[in-house]
Amino acid sequence: EAEVAQSPRYKITEKSQAVAFWCDPISGHATLYWYRQILGQGPELLVQFQDESVVDDSQLPKDRFSAERLKGVDSTLKIQPAELGDSAMYLCASSLGLAGPTDTQYFGPGTRLTVL
Amino acid sequence: GENVEQHPSTLSVQEGDSAVIKCTYSDSASNYFPWYKQELGKRPQLIIDIRSNVGEKKDQRIAVTLNKTAKHFSLHITETQPEDSAVYFCAASIRGFQKLVFGTGTRLLVSP
Repeated sequence: EAEVAQSPRYKITEKSQAVAFWCDPISGHATLYWYRQILGQGPELLVQFQDESVVDDSQLPKDRFSAERLKGVDSTLKIQPAELGDSAMYLCASSLGLAGPTDTQYFGPGTRLTVL
Repeated sequence: GENVEQHPSTLSVQEGDSAVIKCTYSDSASNYFPWYKQELGKRPQLIIDIRSNVGEKKDQRIAVTLNKTAKHFSLHITETQPEDSAVYFCAASIRGFQKLVFGTGTRLLVSP
């Protein structure tokens, strides 16, 4: 069964450093989501792509976060500089992209970021 | 903004008992309500979903009910088993936005 892949699984960095996370969605999925999940809370959408275009980045802290999906397949989320409050699980999800929010979203295993 | 409230935050039951988790949403135009299960250290996985054109959906031991008038929906797990222990998240689609808003999660512990 196809799954969403993410790397790295764990990342420890010092504040003010740059970090990057990678996501490879399920083949054929046009929509890709990046979520941030703080311990004890539900996932919060950071950015959503439809193919290579950003559909929603209203919750993305654009002064330090950036995301790209250049060829409409895999995606990279970057934080520069990292702050202590960025410590969280970063989840990537993908969906077929045919029915908007009612498409089933499939999640990757996540990247757990710790900022020291 | 649009939000989804989820209760309880933790739920402990004995094996074989039923468990019920409730969520309320604020957007009257929400029309899709999935439930995800997240085991410790693993990815969230969809366990059941319901659309606004039905009031109830069942899949073996799991069922979801939707009350559009009251704007709440619930997850029901019957004959709970220790492997049901996990964090469960509800979510609702948001009008005008192609996205889901998630609840804060319920940690379910099923004791043998």
